[in-house]
Amino acid sequence: DAKTTQPPSMDCAEGRAANLPCNHSTISGNEYVYWYRQIHSQGPQYIIHGLKNNETNEMASLIITEDRKSSTLILPHATLRDTAVYYCIVRVDSGGSNYKLTFGKGTLLTVNP
Amino acid sequence: KAGVTQTPRYLIKTRGQQVTLSCSPISGHRSVSWYQQTPGQGLQFLFEYFSETQRNKGNFPGRFSGRQFSNSRSEMNVSTLELGDSALYLCASSLVTGFMGMHEQYFGPGTRLTVT
Repeated sequence: DAKTTQPPSMDCAEGRAANLPCNHSTISGNEYVYWYRQIHSQGPQYIIHGLKNNETNEMASLIITEDRKSSTLILPHATLRDTAVYYCIVRVDSGGSNYKLTFGKGTLLTVNP
Repeated sequence: KAGVTQTPRYLIKTRGQQVTLSCSPISGHRSVSWYQQTPGQGLQFLFEYFSETQRNKGNFPGRFSGRQFSNSRSEMNVSTLELGDSALYLCASSLVTGFMGMHEQYFGPGTRLTVT
C-alpha cells in the first residue's frame, strides 16, 4: 500500500511562496496525488491533484518529481487565510469506480504577517 | 444552493451503545463519502455511497456501516461503540463517483462524537 509522509508543521511569511512537501516513495503507476486543506473547524477543501505531470490551477501548483516518489504543493503568494492543515493523499484506482485512499497526517501551515 | 448538512453536530454516547449519523448532500449530488478524523490517526476514509450502493470501503471493522436513500441522503451507523470511536465524522458529497468525484467533493461541518 502507498504511504504518505508530511512534515507536521511549517511557517511561511505572508506574501511569500509556501512549499509543502509530501513523500510517497511507495507510489506506483496508477496512483494519483491529491492535496486538500482544512481550515480550523471547517471541512476539508480540495486544492489540486496530479498523476505524473505538474499541474497548476487558480489556487496552487503541484510539482511531482520524475520518479513520482515525492511532490510539492506550492502556494505562490501565501496569505493569512491560507493558514490551515494541508493533507497529501494518494489515491489508487483499482478498476471501475473502485479506489483506495491513503492520507498523510497533514502539515499545519502557519502564515505569519 | 445549500451546502452539505450533517446532523447532529455534537453527540455524546457511552461505550456499548450504537449511534446513527445523518448527512444530506448538496441538491443533485448522488455520491456521499464518509470520513473519520481523529488527532492520532488523522483523516481516514470510511466508505462511499452512490445511487444507494456502497461503491468503496476503507479499512474499518464491520461495526461501521452506512446506507443511502433514494433522495441521496446518507446515514452512518456505528454499533457497540468503543472509546476509540470518539472522532469528528465528516461527510462529503459530489455529483459523480470515482475519479471525477474527488476533486468536486464538498464537505459538511462534521459530527463530533464523544464516547465515554
